[in-house]
Amino acid sequence: AQTVTQSQPEMSVQEAETVTLSCTYDTSENNYYLFWYKQPPSRQMILVIRQEAYKQQNATENRFSVNFQKAAKSFSLKISDSQLGDTAMYFCAFILPDSNYQLIWGAGTKLIIKP
Amino acid sequence: NAGVTQTPKFRILKIGQSMTLQCTQDMNHNYMYWYRQDPGMGLKLIYYSVGAGITDKGEVPNGYNVSRSTTEDFPLRLELAAPSQTSVYFCASSPWTTSPGTQYFGPGTRLTVL
Repeated sequence: AQTVTQSQPEMSVQEAETVTLSCTYDTSENNYYLFWYKQPPSRQMILVIRQEAYKQQNATENRFSVNFQKAAKSFSLKISDSQLGDTAMYFCAFILPDSNYQLIWGAGTKLIIKP
Repeated sequence: NAGVTQTPKFRILKIGQSMTLQCTQDMNHNYMYWYRQDPGMGLKLIYYSVGAGITDKGEVPNGYNVSRSTTEDFPLRLELAAPSQTSVYFCASSPWTTSPGTQYFGPGTRLTVL
């Protein structure tokens, strides 16, 4: 069975610090896509970053970057220079191309940025 | 582009009532999804569609029905509402060829069944 594990239910850091959220997943497939989604208190689900498993280069989006370790099945999210607006639930997810693109979700990490 | 829109934003139902949650996307995406999110939990897939006229069950389909008569619209029907269906419902859409797997979400509908 395909699974996603986020081992940190909650984290908090001071504003401007760097924080890393961990995610591990389990699949026997070689081709898949990985995602981090953010859900702020407004509840809107927002795509943060996307990684294609066949690409070795780690994806980056401004202050957000990932550390993708395919052999270890690890996909951590690093947020640099954290801001108050980064306070949200963060969900890790992956998808298999031949699964009708059904996302497999982790349980989420609640991130609190303190002023 | 409005993206994915959902109506209503909030709704309170009595046990046994029925309602339809509306979802529309203007991005010409083939794939569409309905999820529910219970308090403090992740998302669970209710139904999905890979194109007009094609729908399939997800993880938690009981008590719900869907239809997909057009590419744009993917309504979710709740029949005989029960308190267990109190949740936030999200609709999402996904492109087939560009950015495979990426899902774009609507703002959600908060449903309470009393």
